[in-house]
Amino acid sequence: QEQLVESGGGVVQPGRSLRLSCAASGFPFRSYDMHWIRQAPGKGLEWVAVISYDGSKKYYGDSVKGRFTISRDNSKNTLNLQMNSLRAEDTAVYYCAKDRGDNSGMGYWGQGTLVTVSS
Amino acid sequence: DIVMTQSPLSLPVTPGEPASISCRSSQSLLHSSGYNYLDWYLQKPGQSPQLLIYVGSNRAPGVPDRFSGSGSGTDFTLKISRVEAEDVGIYYCMQTLQTPFTFGPGTKVDIK
Repeated sequence: QEQLVESGGGVVQPGRSLRLSCAASGFPFRSYDMHWIRQAPGKGLEWVAVISYDGSKKYYGDSVKGRFTISRDNSKNTLNLQMNSLRAEDTAVYYCAKDRGDNSGMGYWGQGTLVTVSS
Repeated sequence: DIVMTQSPLSLPVTPGEPASISCRSSQSLLHSSGYNYLDWYLQKPGQSPQLLIYVGSNRAPGVPDRFSGSGSGTDFTLKISRVEAEDVGIYYCMQTLQTPFTFGPGTKVDIK
């Protein structure tokens, strides 16, 4: 069955960098757009970024544009999020999610990885 | 950016009774395809969000038929015909018409 497993979270100081990964299995990863969504502690959902199935198109949320970079390695079935210049407000659980395609929603989400930005 | 609002933000419900959540967008979500690019998600306590409804009114695979979505343009509604105890959680609407995609603030549904 479909599976998405995020990794790479942890505690990091403000201004530093962190790279998250999402390992996909159980579906043809290279055929689907993929998203990152985050949720600050006790808060709502915030869409972070999306990458097209072939990596040619990338879009970002306003709060992370210029600091975060989404990428994918279709040969390794892996989605990545490079996070630079981290701020306290980037503290959140980060979820990767699979787009079902044809504007039919994000049909499967991972369990998330917690990023804490603190000195 | 498109701003999404929801009401109410908190909704105590009685099992077996209907429930309704409203979602509004700051601009029309009607695409030239004729579809409204509005999805609904439910985040149950301690779980990752799950897709309920896409393009305004289509139930995702495996979603019970007590859930229905309606609306067009800027006004949308999620209805639960008869609430069950397992429906508690936070419901989010989300627009996918244009990036950055944006979520509503969420509606917390719990049992009275």
